[in-house]
Order: sequence, then C-alpha cells, then structure tokens
Amino acid sequence: DIQMTQSPSTLSASVGDRVTITCRASQSISSWLAWYQQKPGKAPKLLIYDASSLESGVPSRFSGSGSGTEFTLTISSLQPDDFATYYCQQYNSYWVTFGQGTKVEIK
Amino acid sequence: EVQLVESGGGLVQPGGSLRLSCAASGFTFSSYSMNWVRQAPGKGLEWVSYISSSSSTIYYADSVKGRFTISRDNAKNSLYLQMNSLRAEDTAVYYCARDNGMGQLVLSYWGQGTLVTVSS
Repeated sequence: DIQMTQSPSTLSASVGDRVTITCRASQSISSWLAWYQQKPGKAPKLLIYDASSLESGVPSRFSGSGSGTEFTLTISSLQPDDFATYYCQQYNSYWVTFGQGTKVEIK
Repeated sequence: EVQLVESGGGLVQPGGSLRLSCAASGFTFSSYSMNWVRQAPGKGLEWVSYISSSSSTIYYADSVKGRFTISRDNAKNSLYLQMNSLRAEDTAVYYCARDNGMGQLVLSYWGQGTLVTVSS
C-alpha cells in the first residue's frame, strides 16, 4: 500500500495567515492526489483533485501543488470558516489511502 | 442535488453482523462507482471498499477482506455493506462516497455517515 504522511499534525494560525500543509507519498503517485476538509461531526468535503485542480464552489484562497511524492495545500489568507482538519488522499491505485490529517487551530 | 443517506448503524456485539445501506438520489446512480470509507472515533479516514458502477469490479481494504461484502442495487439506487465477524476495531462512522465520474477515485460527494459500535 502507498503510505501518505502529512505535516504538521497540528497547526496554530490566525485569521489572515498564509497556511501550508505538506503531504508526502511513499512512492510516486504522479498527480493523483486530492485534498479534503473536515469539520467536527461532518463528512469530509473535496477541495482539490489532480493535485492542483480546484473543485467547483471551493474558494480560490485554496490551492494545491506538487507531483510525484511531495504535495502542498496552501490557504492564502486563512478565514474563520477554514479552521478544520485537512486530509490528503492518493488515488494512484484503487487501494486508496489517506494521510493522517492536519488540524488547523486558532492561534 | 446529490444526496447520499446512510442507515443501518448501531450497537453490535463482537462477532456479530450488521448491514449498512446508502440511499442515493439526485444523480444517475448506475453511472458512478461507489465507496465506503470509515472513521474511528477521534481518528483519521480509512477507505474500506470500492464497487464499480456495474458491480463488475470490487476491492476491499486488507483490514476487512473476507469479513465485509459490498454490493449495490442500481434499480433501487442503493449501496450496501454487509459486515460480518465484527471486531471492536471496526467501531467507526461509516460514510458512503461517490466518485467524480471521471474514472478516478476522487470522492466528490459523501453521506452524513452512520455510526457502528462494536462492544459487549
């Protein structure tokens, strides 16, 4: 199985901050990477797919980059609604795997 | 509007069985592959199983292989997960999720989840 490792596990930030989350794959996954946002008690929400494609309806302050084994999710200016947990997911194979999550907390 | 509504969760003893259902609406169910993803309390997301639109291709995570069975009824717009030989570590919220329709396992839509608790 392809292992996905996110860093950091927790991130403390303020409204307006630029935030970057990193996701590393244990082997190359080309650009087959998605990012999800999850709030407590809610289902995950798709933000980014194919490493850098913004899902319809997702604010443009979210962006993704990377290929191969290293990827980043960037929030250009953190908003109050963005405090949540973020997961990366590889879909290079049908045995989908997720990162362990990055919790973005209020500083 | 795409809607996925899970049901069938509850409390079950170790070794017991449970069948989860996911009712789909707002899209042509028979055209999309579907998945089950679970999340143990306070933990991250774990993919459980995949079924193609025609049921011709099915995959399972190693952690559930041989114990869980995914199926679908396209006439009823429904997805199922039969869970047998349940263990404490199967305790989780179970989500059904639809792919993006482009042959990729990008999970574009999710249900609200149903909680399965395995405990004596």
